[in-house]
Amino acid sequence: EPEVTQTPSHQVTQMGQEVILRCVPISNHLYFYWYRQILGQKVEFLVSFYNNEISEKSEIFDDQFSVERPDGSNFTLKIRSTKLEDSAMYFCATTGSTFSGANVLTFGAGSRLTVL
Amino acid sequence: GNSVTQMEGPVTLSEEAFLTINCTYTATGYPSLFWYVQYPGEGLQLLLKATKADDKGSNKGFEATYRKETTSFHLEKGSVQVSDSAVYFCAGLYNFNKFYFGSGTKLNVKP
Repeated sequence: EPEVTQTPSHQVTQMGQEVILRCVPISNHLYFYWYRQILGQKVEFLVSFYNNEISEKSEIFDDQFSVERPDGSNFTLKIRSTKLEDSAMYFCATTGSTFSGANVLTFGAGSRLTVL
Repeated sequence: GNSVTQMEGPVTLSEEAFLTINCTYTATGYPSLFWYVQYPGEGLQLLLKATKADDKGSNKGFEATYRKETTSFHLEKGSVQVSDSAVYFCAGLYNFNKFYFGSGTKLNVKP
C-alpha cells in the first residue's frame, strides 16, 4: 500500500534554530498538507499546497513557516527560528484526485520536533 | 462555517462493552465524513469513511452512518477490545481538499 514517508522521525533543536521537516508524498497525489499536533491535543491544520503553491493556510502558519517542493518529490516544511511552543508532532498528509468527492487523507507517521 | 465536533474524552470501557463516540458536523453542503484512529506513538490512520447521506462506513468491527437529518456520523462498535485503545478523530472533507478534524476522543479499554 502506498505510503507517505516523513523524515526525521524525531528532531531535537535549540530555540532559534532553523528546522526542515521532509515528506515524500504518494507519487500520484496532488494535494499536500501539513498538520501539527501538540502532545495530547487536537490535530491542527497548518497549510495545504497544490500545483506548487500554497492553497490555504491557518493562522498558525505565520512568517516563521514556509513550505516548498524543491525537487518534484519531496515536500518540506521549514521553521525559520524555532520557539519552545513549536514543539509538537508534525504530520504530512496527501490526497489524490481533485475531482473525487471521496478524497482520503493519507498521513505519514509524523516528525516529532522538540525545541529546547 | 464548516466544522466537526466530537464528544469529549477520555472514554473508559471494559472489554466487550458497546462503544459510541459522537460526531456532528456543520456544513453548507454535504461533506465526505471520516473516522481516523491514532494508536499510541503513531500517526493517523483511516478507519472508515462515508461520502453521502445514508452511507455506512465500516471496518474492523467499527461502523458509522452518515445521517443528514441529524448532521451526525457517530462511531460505534458492538464489543471493544483492549487493542482498540487509541484516540479517534472525526473529520469532514469540504470542497474536495479542505479537511476539518474534531478534537479527538481518547478511548481506554480495560481488560
